[in-house]
Amino acid sequence: AQSVTQLDSHVSVSEGTPVLLRCNYSSSYSPSLFWYVQHPNKGLQLLLKYTSAATLVKGINGFEAEFKKSETSFHLTKPSAHMSDAAEYFCVVTLNTGNQFYFGTGTSLTVIP
Amino acid sequence: EPEVTQTPSHQVTQMGQEVILRCVPISNHLYFYWYRQILGQKVEFLVSFYNNEISEKSEIFDDQFSVERPDGSNFTLKIRSTKLEDSAMYFCASSENIGRYGYTFGSGTRLTVV
Repeated sequence: AQSVTQLDSHVSVSEGTPVLLRCNYSSSYSPSLFWYVQHPNKGLQLLLKYTSAATLVKGINGFEAEFKKSETSFHLTKPSAHMSDAAEYFCVVTLNTGNQFYFGTGTSLTVIP
Repeated sequence: EPEVTQTPSHQVTQMGQEVILRCVPISNHLYFYWYRQILGQKVEFLVSFYNNEISEKSEIFDDQFSVERPDGSNFTLKIRSTKLEDSAMYFCASSENIGRYGYTFGSGTRLTVV
């Protein structure tokens, strides 16, 4: 079975400080992993994806994530938070065809000025 | 940047009524999906659709649900007889290639069943 666990439901950081959003996955096979972001009243926007190529993945807006198979983790990081980063972040896993995505419960990021 | 468009953004319906949620996927995309998120819960897969037929569906997607691509641009989700527990945010998504490379999601339709 496939699943993801987002370890923090809420994260609060000060503007200009690093961001770390944690995600652990469970998968029987080689997964594809994604981070999506949802701003209020907006759709789910793809931040970055891992599909079995480089384990360090760079995404939009300065975010990156590292796939660590030994730790079954795919944590999202950003060196310096910006006010516009405040949103809900979802870690997602899928297999093979990707017909079905498995979402984490989401992490709400607050950025304090 | 191309978008997936969903209409309406919010729909209120009475229990037992039929409702159709509409989506316009990105024009060159071939794979289509519906997901839903009940308030406070995870985003859940409903159905995937390719080549005019359902590829996969979840246990949630029972006989009350159906999907259709009535023309070359729209992709619809129909709920025949709505229940209170169908109240949720419904997301449409599409992808050019198989979904393991990522989808583009719409901004959702919030369905409220009263």
